[in-house]
Amino acid sequence: DTGVSQDPRHKITKRGQNVTFRCDPISEHNRLYWYRQTLGQGPEFLTYFQNEAQLEKSRLLSDRFSAERPKGSFSTLEIQRTEQGDSAMYLCASSPGTFEAFFGQGTRLTVV
Amino acid sequence: GDSVTQMEGPVTLSEEAFLTINCTYTATGYPSLFWYVQYPGEGLQLLLKATKADDKGSNKGFEATYRKETTSFHLEKGSVQVSDSAVYFCALIVTGANSKLTFGKGITLSVRP
Repeated sequence: DTGVSQDPRHKITKRGQNVTFRCDPISEHNRLYWYRQTLGQGPEFLTYFQNEAQLEKSRLLSDRFSAERPKGSFSTLEIQRTEQGDSAMYLCASSPGTFEAFFGQGTRLTVV
Repeated sequence: GDSVTQMEGPVTLSEEAFLTINCTYTATGYPSLFWYVQYPGEGLQLLLKATKADDKGSNKGFEATYRKETTSFHLEKGSVQVSDSAVYFCALIVTGANSKLTFGKGITLSVRP
């Protein structure tokens, strides 16, 4: 399968713990996006990479959130000191620079 | 800022019924418009798109026309099937250096046999 891959698919963590998610985009896609989706809402933009450069961050992305894309390939999203309000589905998408974005299946985070 | 408004759901239809899902938008520039679909247990998939006014996007029997005068992009299908049961999201991109999708809330469609 050559689609966007996200790992893990599910994560349950205790409040205050740190978590890290990984996204492997489609090969040669230079754009990579992270979105967050809560129940009953559409995906909300978090951050965007063009190759290894992080070009935009949403105001939703507090200083507890950090994302990286070393070498312009896979990306990681880390949440430090998790809070119950961080519980959501975290979606990754990649794009070759056209209008179409290809989404992974997401990582569902539950903070207890 | 940019925003997308979708009609309230959920929507339940019988097989072969006609489907309309309303979508309106506001945008800071000239947007491209999309419908994404999320089937149970799967990731978001692009269903169709339109990049300029009066364009009609179509795929799998679904259609949507980019109406600039009414800032709308309503999704239609003449005869729905049980397999169309999914969550449908309307979205836009305003082209720029950091183009990102802005989504509506989504609407759940359930089709009864």
